[in-house]
Amino acid sequence: NAGVTQTPKFQVLKTGQSMTLQCAQDMNHNSMYWYRQDPGMGLRLIYYSASEGTTDKGEVPNGYNVSRLNKREFSLRLESAAPSQTSVYFCASSGINRVRNQPQHFGDGTRLSIL
Amino acid sequence: AQRVTQPEKLLSVFKGAPVELKCNYSYSGSPELFWYVQYSRQRLQLLLRHISRESIKGFTADLNKGETSFHLKKPFAQEEDSAMYYCALSAAGAGRRALTFGSGTRLQVQP
Repeated sequence: NAGVTQTPKFQVLKTGQSMTLQCAQDMNHNSMYWYRQDPGMGLRLIYYSASEGTTDKGEVPNGYNVSRLNKREFSLRLESAAPSQTSVYFCASSGINRVRNQPQHFGDGTRLSIL
Repeated sequence: AQRVTQPEKLLSVFKGAPVELKCNYSYSGSPELFWYVQYSRQRLQLLLRHISRESIKGFTADLNKGETSFHLKKPFAQEEDSAMYYCALSAAGAGRRALTFGSGTRLQVQP
């Protein structure tokens, strides 16, 4: 199983350009997440989707939009990229257990540079 | 608001020495605590969770609600333990399940 697959792995954009980061999981998980990782700050939640058809803002949603296209796919869009969005972006997914949280499975990350 | 603090950016020890990676949290409800690890050129992966009360790769972590801590310990460090370690918190039970991460601690085990 591939688990969580993110594309692209690297991308360089100019300020103002738009792009979509793709994420797909093959574990039949209901929940999916987008995080960004910045030096000295750990991972911060951008958006998450508890189930197909629902999305919610995380800690740092400004400048981003998401789409839960189906159960497998959860994309992250930057409409007008800014240098402050230079970061490593991680997608994750997890199953559901009504009693306790299930571990999150992460992709390899997308390293995004905005010039 | 929930918060996770890992006070050490870097922890360097010699092989065979004990290791303790510190993690403190603040959360008003009942938390679930996790340790995630990222080895060089590998994905971030779950190391252990407090609910499981298990030892993984010789690591253990005990949730201390009085001190709001979830420190990661190993009695004898190995070179293959060198990695980035993240402590993470989630609200227990139903509802929002996203993780709040600490800033991470890089563990270097020297030969």
